Amino acid sequence: ILNVEQSPQSLHVQEGDSTNFTCSFPSSNFYALHWYRWETAKSPEALFVMTLNGDEKKKGRISATLNTKEGYSYLYIKGSQPEDSATYLCACLTDSWGKFQFGAGTQVVVTP
Amino acid sequence: DSGVTQTPKHLITATGQRVTLRCSPRSGDLSVYWYQQSLDQGLQFLIQYYNGEERAKGNILERFSAQQFPDLHSELNLSSLELGDSALYFCASSVSGGGSVPNEQFFGPGTRLTVL
Repeated sequence: ILNVEQSPQSLHVQEGDSTNFTCSFPSSNFYALHWYRWETAKSPEALFVMTLNGDEKKKGRISATLNTKEGYSYLYIKGSQPEDSATYLCACLTDSWGKFQFGAGTQVVVTP
Repeated sequence: DSGVTQTPKHLITATGQRVTLRCSPRSGDLSVYWYQQSLDQGLQFLIQYYNGEERAKGNILERFSAQQFPDLHSELNLSSLELGDSALYFCASSVSGGGSVPNEQFFGPGTRLTVL
């Protein structure tokens, strides 16, 4: 059973538009939240590691926020480009070591 | 290239057999994680090793076992293989493994296992 949920499952975005999607997780037993970008035929690539309530991280046109009290994180893509097309995974760390629970991902397709 | 290597890339075997998947972490990384991605399922955490010691365990079957060697490479052993074990197996590494210290994981290219 996946306690970490991502929505929507997929979305199509026009080039230049901005978009965002959600990762929900149980707020109890929270240690950290990781975001990954996963392109087809490649391996997941780390985007952000977030630990504190209210955390905001940014890398280029991609940013993320974290609300540990209500158990959600948003990932934002500003001015989407075709190279942003990928599946974005979130993973919640549920113990003090490495027990991660991954969401099923949000597949983003950016069309020119 | 993440710096994490996995061998073999592809493995085809029969039910009932045993296979070993190998992972070499990035230089300097002490933690190794193993994940399974089956068809239509998300990444499932199997097990984590840190500096040779098992540190966290997920939904790993009893038929599966892993270890991390003194040179920090890790092996995942899958035995009495069943059709349902066909999956993509990823290894990832990170500098440390404690949840209180943010650690991004670097994923290897994966080993695709097909059980016929």
